[in-house]
Amino acid sequence: SAVISQKPSRDICQRGTSLTIQCQVDSQVTMMFWYRQQPGQSLTLIATANQGSEATYESGFVIDKFPISRPNLTFSTLTVSNMSPEDSSIYLCSVIAANGELFFGEGSRLTVL
Amino acid sequence: KQEVTQIPAALSVPEGENLVLNCSFTDSAIYNLQWFRQDPGKGLTSLLLIQSSQREQTSGRLNASLDKSSGRSTLYIAASQPGDSATYLCAVRPQEGQNFVFGPGTRLSVLP
Repeated sequence: SAVISQKPSRDICQRGTSLTIQCQVDSQVTMMFWYRQQPGQSLTLIATANQGSEATYESGFVIDKFPISRPNLTFSTLTVSNMSPEDSSIYLCSVIAANGELFFGEGSRLTVL
Repeated sequence: KQEVTQIPAALSVPEGENLVLNCSFTDSAIYNLQWFRQDPGKGLTSLLLIQSSQREQTSGRLNASLDKSSGRSTLYIAASQPGDSATYLCAVRPQEGQNFVFGPGTRLSVLP
């Protein structure tokens, strides 16, 4: 299994500001992902965080809006830039363990005023 | 492109009932399938992982089955309890190295 810690667990931000979410895993993992879950919706994959190279973004998500860092195999950050109320969501970090099982952090609930 | 659906969207049952949640996927060629539980405002908790070569997995009161040929998986919850109330999501991984595709979830309410 994998234990994932996310910070902050929640935050309230002003429009136009940026917030960085941290994700720490208790073991080295190859595959790490960032998801968004808007209110009442299922999960949408934002990007795959690649260690040592640029993240791979899904359709509809761009690096300028959601810059991602992955300096090593246990840590990643997601920044939500120039926030608007439409960015209010739960942001989730996840990893795939060696047996192929997907694990999630507790999520970061973001409210943009 | 793999698509995952779940029915029903919501389910309400009295405590003690056995229940079945359904997950369907459009492409039978999958690497594995996983069931999750999500409490409101929280992250997802892994319940059961079924590899492509397996037919079912069990954990406590939970049993998940996989029928690739028909593109279906079921999650059976025995003797339901109010603490089982949550949203249950099914996710399919098409191939190793690919990302999981999530269903919309089933919101379960178990009434005391």
